[in-house]
Amino acid sequence: DADVTQTPRNRITKTGKRIMLECSQTKGHDRMYWYRQDPGLGLRLIYYSFDVKDINKGEISDGYSVSRQAQAKFSLSLESAIPNQTALYFCATSDPRGPGELFFGEGSRLTVL
Amino acid sequence: AQKVTQAQTEISVVEKEDVTLDCVYETRDTTYYLFWYKQPPSGELVFLIRRNSFDEQNEISGRYSWNFQKSTSSFNFTITASQVVDSAVYFCALRSGYSTLTFGKGTMLLVSP
Repeated sequence: DADVTQTPRNRITKTGKRIMLECSQTKGHDRMYWYRQDPGLGLRLIYYSFDVKDINKGEISDGYSVSRQAQAKFSLSLESAIPNQTALYFCATSDPRGPGELFFGEGSRLTVL
Repeated sequence: AQKVTQAQTEISVVEKEDVTLDCVYETRDTTYYLFWYKQPPSGELVFLIRRNSFDEQNEISGRYSWNFQKSTSSFNFTITASQVVDSAVYFCALRSGYSTLTFGKGTMLLVSP
């Protein structure tokens, strides 16, 4: 089983719908992240959390919210999805004692029609 | 602020050719970490290597090698005798100080038989 699991892996939805992407990890890492990947733009940080009580905005947080339910769970929500949020979303973890290497989930492909 | 530039958007080579992927970084911190990740067509992100700012030794792992040069702020990645399975998007990333990882926009490598 994957150490970092994302659900759903693929989702097609309509404009205006609320969407939640979930991430769970078994690595025991305190730090968790949500990135968005668009062709030609690389990976951009949406939100990150260094522990259960810590939530921080990343480079592109507008239109998104997150919830850190437990050390192992970090969810990303789109309150009212719009077509330009169509992208590949990655959850990642890192060990605060290490150099910051990220361990990624398999990605969630979201299409907003 | 930190920045990573991968100037090569796409590279096409024929199998068995050598290819170098360029990565130039910017940071004001003296302590930082550089990373390379591979994203094959299946979409997952695979960690390849990590290098800290105090270790300028080049690294070789099979057909892969990395050239870290602080004088030019570069961390280039060379694949020797490329193979079709090397076709992927490759990302360079930087973490300096207490910041999160910043990724370059990626270089798509296409290796033809």
